[in-house]
Amino acid sequence: DQQVKQNSPSLSVQEGRISILNCDYTNSMFDYFLWYKKYPAEGPTFLISISSIKDKNEDGRFTVFLNKSAKHLSLHIVPSQPGDSAVYFCAASGEGETSGSRLTFGEGTQLTVNP
Amino acid sequence: NAGVTQTPKFRILKIGQSMTLQCTQDMNHNYMYWYRQDPGMGLKLIYYSVGAGITDKGEVPNGYNVSRSTTEDFPLRLELAAPSQTSVYFCASSYPTGLNTEAFFGQGTRLTVV
Repeated sequence: DQQVKQNSPSLSVQEGRISILNCDYTNSMFDYFLWYKKYPAEGPTFLISISSIKDKNEDGRFTVFLNKSAKHLSLHIVPSQPGDSAVYFCAASGEGETSGSRLTFGEGTQLTVNP
Repeated sequence: NAGVTQTPKFRILKIGQSMTLQCTQDMNHNYMYWYRQDPGMGLKLIYYSVGAGITDKGEVPNGYNVSRSTTEDFPLRLELAAPSQTSVYFCASSYPTGLNTEAFFGQGTRLTVV
C-alpha cells in the first residue's frame, strides 16, 4: 500500500528551464509534506516543506504547491541548474500523535538537468 | 557540526551472520529512525524511537532489532542476515516542533548479504 507516490521515475530538463516534480498521496491524515534531495552515496537532505494549512511555500528557486482536495503536491525549480541533478523524494508525516513524526516516502524521481 | 553519523559505510555479510549498524547524533534530537532503501524504491521505515528507552516498529521491522539507551545512539541489529536485507540503510533524527517534522539523515550504510 503505497501511501505516497511519485509516478515519474525520471525527468530530464534543459538548464534554465523549469523542472516540475509531482507527488500524490492517499492518507488524509498527512498534514506536513517535505521534499528531500539525494545525491549518489549521500544521505537525503531536506529541501523544502509545506504544512497542510498552506497551498504554497517558496524558498529561492524552489516552490512547493499543495492541492489538498486532489491530494497532490508538486515541486517547481526555476531556473533549473546542472547542480540540481539528483533524486528528489517526496515525504509526508502526521498520522497522529503516536506516529513519532515518522516520514512516509515516495519512490523518488531522478532529475537530470542538461547544460 | 557532525550531525548524524553512521558506521560502517560499507559491509559484506554472509548469510546467517549478525552485525550492528551504529548511529549517533549530536544535535540532542529526541526522535531517531532507521530506514532502508532498495533500488528504485523509496525509503521504508524499519524502527523508530521517540526518546531514550522507547522504540517502536515501523513498516518493515522483521529481521531487525533496535535499542535506545541514550539520546545520542540508536544502533540497528541484524541477527541472522538474509539476502533480502541487502540494501542501503539510513539513520535519521529529528526534533519535531509543531507540525515541522524535518529529519536529518546520515550518509548511509551499504550492506550486501551473500
